[in-house]
Amino acid sequence: GDQVEQSPSALSLHEGTGSALRCNFTTTMRAVQWFQQNSRGSLINLFYLASGTKENGRLKSTFNSKESYSTLHIRDAQLEDSGTYFCAAEAGDSNYQLIWGSGTKLIIKP
Amino acid sequence: AQTIHQWPVAEIKAVGSPLSLGCTIKGKSSPNLYWYWQATGGTLQQLFYSITVGQVESVVQLNLSASRPKDDQFILSTEKLLLSHSGFYLCAWSLEGERLFFGHGTKLSVL
Repeated sequence: GDQVEQSPSALSLHEGTGSALRCNFTTTMRAVQWFQQNSRGSLINLFYLASGTKENGRLKSTFNSKESYSTLHIRDAQLEDSGTYFCAAEAGDSNYQLIWGSGTKLIIKP
Repeated sequence: AQTIHQWPVAEIKAVGSPLSLGCTIKGKSSPNLYWYWQATGGTLQQLFYSITVGQVESVVQLNLSASRPKDDQFILSTEKLLLSHSGFYLCAWSLEGERLFFGHGTKLSVL
């Protein structure tokens, strides 16, 4: 069955506001990565976390392996934040395969 | 700095025709290499990975094959395209236990 449940599937924010995306895992994961896919299809790696919290500008991500979830917080959203966000997790049994969430389509409105 | 280059940027091919997509990574020695496929509006599906020259592991069977002829090169190919092969193909690299970085992708339309 699905091992990564990503929510919400779509989100619309006004510029300057913020929100959180979440991935729940149904099995123990060793690490999680978050990506932004822009309108051209390019995937940008935002974070790699084996535990804890990381922050980069207006983005902050947390990975709690014990409680099996990860979050990506966006604050002060800008138009260029629009795109599809994916989480991808490393399960304990494979070093070379990631398990991907289904994505969150984020639209930032002026 | 590391760079990843994918070619071609886009292809329009006929059903039954052959296909070859390429990927080159510069600035990193012995990276792990990956091929992914994405249907329009869909999530990413890993196809292959390679941790060393000459060795490729298949993750899912889609009537495609991959090869790693050089340390910095990864090739995806098939002799006969199907309609279901249409989509977006992405090459990626990583080092052990580190972040995954993607190329810009190839958009494939099979008609």
